[in-house]
Amino acid sequence: KAGVTQTPRYLIKTRGQQVTLSCSPISGHRSVSWYQQTPGQGLQFLFEYFSETQRNKGNFPGRFSGRQFSNSRSEMNVSTLELGDSALYLCASSFGYSYNEQFFGPGTRLTVL
Amino acid sequence: LAKTTQPISMDSYEGQEVNITCSHNNIATNDYITWYQQFPSQGPRFIIQGYKTKVTNEVASLFIPADRKSSTLSLPRVSLSDTAVYYCLVGSTNNNAGNMLTFGGGTRLMVKP
Repeated sequence: KAGVTQTPRYLIKTRGQQVTLSCSPISGHRSVSWYQQTPGQGLQFLFEYFSETQRNKGNFPGRFSGRQFSNSRSEMNVSTLELGDSALYLCASSFGYSYNEQFFGPGTRLTVL
Repeated sequence: LAKTTQPISMDSYEGQEVNITCSHNNIATNDYITWYQQFPSQGPRFIIQGYKTKVTNEVASLFIPADRKSSTLSLPRVSLSDTAVYYCLVGSTNNNAGNMLTFGGGTRLMVKP
């Protein structure tokens, strides 16, 4: 069974631009969660989607948004990029809700210049 | 929202048993405790999950006292390849409230030869 895939793996953007990251969960998994990881703040929860509905959202500004499609694939979007948005963005999928065992993708490394 | 506290780092030697304790004083009735392992440049990997008492699998044991305000991940006979960051995670089963997963700061385990 294929694992969680994230595209692109690396991305360089400039301040003010927007970016869309994609996540394909493991087949059959209905929950997709997104996390931001930085050296200073560690792993922080962004949001979780289950069956196309956002179930919860972490403490991030409205510039961070996401969605989930009917095939469970998910995208997250960051608008008006700031230097502090430079991070590793991780996507995780689980069969049930996210408190169950989550399978993480390799992440997308975003650098904002 | 249950906050978790872990030691920042620990050192051990090959062949020793390592115990990493996580504090989660305001854990809720519906919360499960989950541990993840993360290697550099990779997404976290599920190790073990429990609700109370003791859980054991092929790689680790998880000890949870009756008050559930802390938990201890036990890694038997560690090897160099166990050098990683270990995260304690508390997540709710309360479907109505959604899952607000909180990763602790992580414990950086260094296994020496």
